[in-house]
Amino acid sequence: QVQLVESGGGLVKPGGSLRLSCVASGFTFRDYYMTWIRQAPGKGLEWVSYMSPSRSYTNNADSVQGRFTISRDNAKNSLFLQMNSLRVEDTAVYFCARGSREGFCSGGNCYPYNFDFWGLGTLVTVSS
Amino acid sequence: DIQLTQSPSPLSASVGDRITITCQASQSIKTYLNWYQQKPGKAPKLLIFDAANLETGVPSRFSGSGSGTEFTFTISSLQFEDFATYYCQQYAHFPMTFGQGTRLDIK
Repeated sequence: QVQLVESGGGLVKPGGSLRLSCVASGFTFRDYYMTWIRQAPGKGLEWVSYMSPSRSYTNNADSVQGRFTISRDNAKNSLFLQMNSLRVEDTAVYFCARGSREGFCSGGNCYPYNFDFWGLGTLVTVSS
Repeated sequence: DIQLTQSPSPLSASVGDRITITCQASQSIKTYLNWYQQKPGKAPKLLIFDAANLETGVPSRFSGSGSGTEFTFTISSLQFEDFATYYCQQYAHFPMTFGQGTRLDIK
């Protein structure tokens, strides 16, 4: 069965860095869009970053643009999120989620239709 | 960005009730809308994709409808395990966005 297991969260001071990892199993990882989605304590869901199967398409939410970088290693069935210049408002549970196999393409950009499997998440706390 | 506004929030109901949640988009998103269920401390689960299509394995008491800017999510007969928070999500326009969520509580 599909499994996504995140790791790498923790407590970090404002301005610090963290690298999140997500290991996938139970499906052909290299065939799917992969995403990071976060949820601040007691709040709703916010898409953060995605990457297409072949890495051709990737994008970040405006709130993290220039600070977060997504990457993937298809040989190791792994997804990563490098988070730099962390802010208090980045405090959240970060979920790794599988996107669609095909992208929805509009205006030269392609991105996943939906998120059909999610990990349990890893908590990132940014506090002094 | 497309704003998705869910109502009501929260919603109180009893086992066996029929409930409907509405998701209103700030501009037309055709039928490019999905619905998720999230229980406390758990990851969200995709229930319905493209407004009205039931994800594999999801019970038939869940349904969705709508197009353009108005969408509805219905549970025909609430079961105990359905008390959770529900989110709509659009992908018609980048970036993908979620509604604020509707918490469904036991009355």
